[in-house]
Amino acid sequence: QQQVKQSPQSLIVQKGGISIINCAYENTAFDYFPWYQQFPGKGPALLIAIRPDVSEKKEGRFTISFNKSAKQFSLHIMDSQPGDSATYFCAASERQAGTALIFGKGTTLSVSS
Amino acid sequence: DSGVTQTPKHLITATGQRVTLRCSPRSGDLSVYWYQQSLDQGLQFLIQYYNGEERAKGNILERFSAQQFPDLHSELNLSSLELGDSALYFCASSESPGDTEQFFGPGTRLTVL
Repeated sequence: QQQVKQSPQSLIVQKGGISIINCAYENTAFDYFPWYQQFPGKGPALLIAIRPDVSEKKEGRFTISFNKSAKQFSLHIMDSQPGDSATYFCAASERQAGTALIFGKGTTLSVSS
Repeated sequence: DSGVTQTPKHLITATGQRVTLRCSPRSGDLSVYWYQQSLDQGLQFLIQYYNGEERAKGNILERFSAQQFPDLHSELNLSSLELGDSALYFCASSESPGDTEQFFGPGTRLTVL
């Protein structure tokens, strides 16, 4: 079964707009939720991450919102730029168990200028 | 540059063959993870090693095996290759199994003809 569901599959946003990508998880033991950014021909790179004891984390133009009761989390990219055009993956893991990351299927973001 | 290196960058081979992918983790990282990325399955965890010992297995086929050597580099062996094994294979590393920040290498693109 797919433990982390990500939507939308693709997203087109105008320059300066807000990009929003959503993820939902099933395993309540997950306690670490990162977002990775991947450019064509490159490996995924950690963008921002959150633990379930906070509801929001902001780093520059990137914000994670986390809703523990709904088992959902989302990535918001403010003032989206053409350089943000990439594939974004949400993921989850059980930090205490030291488990590997379970990834969502990815969202391809295109920011038009 | 994440500090994780993978070789080769590209690999083209025929069905039924065997290949070996190599990964060198970041300096100081003891844990290595292998992931497979395909269009239909997304990023899937295959196997994890920590300080030379297998720590966790994900969706790894029996035809695939891996090991981590005393110098901490890791190799992923894929045998009896099938067309469906064509994918990007990523290696990631972290300081320890409980350290959730994983750094990904640039990947090896495997094409099975």
